Amino acid sequence: ETGVTQSPTHLIKTRGQQVTLRCSSQSGHNTVSWYQQALGQGPQFIFQYYREEENGRGNFPPRFSGLQFPNYSSELNVNALELDDSALYLCASSGGGTGNTEAFFGQGTRLTVV
Amino acid sequence: QQQVKQSPQSLIVQKGGIPIINCAYENTAFDYFPWYQQFPGKGPALLIAIRPDVSEKKEGRFTISFNKSAKQFSLHIMDSQPGDSATYFCAARTGNQFYFGTGTSLTVIP
Repeated sequence: ETGVTQSPTHLIKTRGQQVTLRCSSQSGHNTVSWYQQALGQGPQFIFQYYREEENGRGNFPPRFSGLQFPNYSSELNVNALELDDSALYLCASSGGGTGNTEAFFGQGTRLTVV
Repeated sequence: QQQVKQSPQSLIVQKGGIPIINCAYENTAFDYFPWYQQFPGKGPALLIAIRPDVSEKKEGRFTISFNKSAKQFSLHIMDSQPGDSATYFCAARTGNQFYFGTGTSLTVIP
């Protein structure tokens, strides 16, 4: 157990809808990163939040947005869902902000867009 | 563009064998190289990690070999067990971003 919890575990949405995924980071960790893992692929970096500010972003369109709260939990929001957004969404927490090392993953949220 | 190339895509070994998974990279800014183990329906779990100033690191049955000049690193699993059957990902970090390989599906036959 990593202490990183994500909710919900599974979700089915219709194309064009919006979705919010949630993550509680491990105790003592102030950095949360979000990844998208398509079936049979490695995780792809979406963005990272450090002390409530976005601290780096991967190659994802603006309809992927996020938030980090004062307790360091985080949300990933995806607007105008597309079929290709179907994937496992992973949250990883780490301590120390930029340059921190170990990242611990939650179990993920399986999003299916139909 | 795949920043970290991983091979093989799948691997089948007998119990007690030593599977080896290889990764290669080009970006010399990478400064931390972890390996993750992932079971179906679960998130990746950190297995072992190495920094580029070290050529080998061993933790239990898992060993990372790192060749900085060749920009390659590999995971060796000693005395593999059926419970090691999982997907393994190598990764490399620069700044605050991890880049993952495409994964190796390992099956250990009893």
